[in-house]
Amino acid sequence: DAGVIQSPRHEVTEMGQEVTLRCKPISGHNSLFWYRQTMMRGLELLIYFNNNVPIDDSGMPEDRFSAKMPNASFSTLKIQPSEPRDSAVYFCASSSRIGYTFGSGTRLTVV
Amino acid sequence: AQTVTQSQPEMSVQEAETVTLSCTYDTSESDYYLFWYKQPPSRQMILVIRQEAYKQQNATENRFSVNFQKAAKSFSLKISDSQLGDAAMYFCAYRSRAGKSTFGDGTTLTVKP
Repeated sequence: DAGVIQSPRHEVTEMGQEVTLRCKPISGHNSLFWYRQTMMRGLELLIYFNNNVPIDDSGMPEDRFSAKMPNASFSTLKIQPSEPRDSAVYFCASSSRIGYTFGSGTRLTVV
Repeated sequence: AQTVTQSQPEMSVQEAETVTLSCTYDTSESDYYLFWYKQPPSRQMILVIRQEAYKQQNATENRFSVNFQKAAKSFSLKISDSQLGDAAMYFCAYRSRAGKSTFGDGTTLTVKP
């Protein structure tokens, strides 16, 4: 198994642009999580899905952020419009009972 | 809401020695999971060890073991025979049965040769 696959690995964009982060979870994992990691706030859970259904999006900072999971093998996190304060590493993780498996993260820089 | 507290922002250990990282949590649930994750400079999050709350026996994975004290809501990680490759940030995490997780702020571990 290739693990959780995130793309792109790095993204640099200008303020105001739309950013889409992608995630392919491990096959058979029925939960998917989006996290944001910054020095100031540590690891923050943004949203998680069970069986493709969003369960808790209370961590999504504002309406500029949206996440979708159209099927069991793909999820996106979109930021529109992006702002410099959105700069962070965004992790996707999928979960079984054993624990989370994280992707390598996307380092987003908004200039 | 659950909270996870790692009271040691930084720790250091001499190579081959033993170090213990602390973690406490707060919850009203009786059934849950606890984890330790390692994040080296590569930023990859790596599962180190997991503990199910209903199991009284402390989990062990090679040089890594935990001291799980359910009543005290404590979940410390012991690393024996520390190696240079153990240097990383370590995160303690709580996961409810419903699936929602909470991570501590992390402890940066330095291993001195």
